[in-house]
Amino acid sequence: AQSVTQLDSQVPVFEEAPVELRCNYSSSVSVYLFWYVQYPNQGLQLLLKYLSGSTLVESINGFEAEFNKSQTSFHLRKPSVHISDTAEYFCAVSEGDTGRRALTFGSGTRLQVQP
Amino acid sequence: ETGVTQTPRHLVMGMTNKKSLKCEQHLGHNAMYWYKQSAKKPLELMFVYSLEERVENNSVPSRFSPECPNSSHLFLHLHTLQPEDSALYLCASSGAGLASNEQFFGPGTRLTVL
Repeated sequence: AQSVTQLDSQVPVFEEAPVELRCNYSSSVSVYLFWYVQYPNQGLQLLLKYLSGSTLVESINGFEAEFNKSQTSFHLRKPSVHISDTAEYFCAVSEGDTGRRALTFGSGTRLQVQP
Repeated sequence: ETGVTQTPRHLVMGMTNKKSLKCEQHLGHNAMYWYKQSAKKPLELMFVYSLEERVENNSVPSRFSPECPNSSHLFLHLHTLQPEDSALYLCASSGAGLASNEQFFGPGTRLTVL
């Protein structure tokens, strides 16, 4: 069975400051990793993903995440946040090689960017 | 319409009502999912359909009944619900190949059970 832990339920940060949202996972098989973002009253949108290849993945709006297999982590980072980044962020994992496509989600981290 | 759409966006129902949630995907995907999102809890996978066949049912009470008539449509039929079933119900779809684990979500139906 897989599990995902997002240690921080809320992360307040000032605009233009850097931020890191932590995600750790456990799995007995190889994994694919995802970060989703949810804005108020909306569904989840894919932010970035790790399937294979380079362990550092980037999104179009300045976020990046690094897959660290030894530490079973996939932390999300941004060097300078904007007010518009205020949202809930979910880390998710799926099994890499078994064909099972369902996602297991963490409990989410609410990023609150203050002016 | 593009992506994944869900109707209705909001639903208020009594415990004795019967209602249905509808999800439609316009992405040519072959797998569809229902998730439940409750306050202060992780998203819970409810059902998975692959090629219109139910492949996962995560111990969901029988008062929730899914239906997948074709690869583009997914329904969740609701009857005799409980107040604790109030939540945001999210539908998602995914395709084939290496990207098959990447899921695209609809905006959700906010359900309130009185």
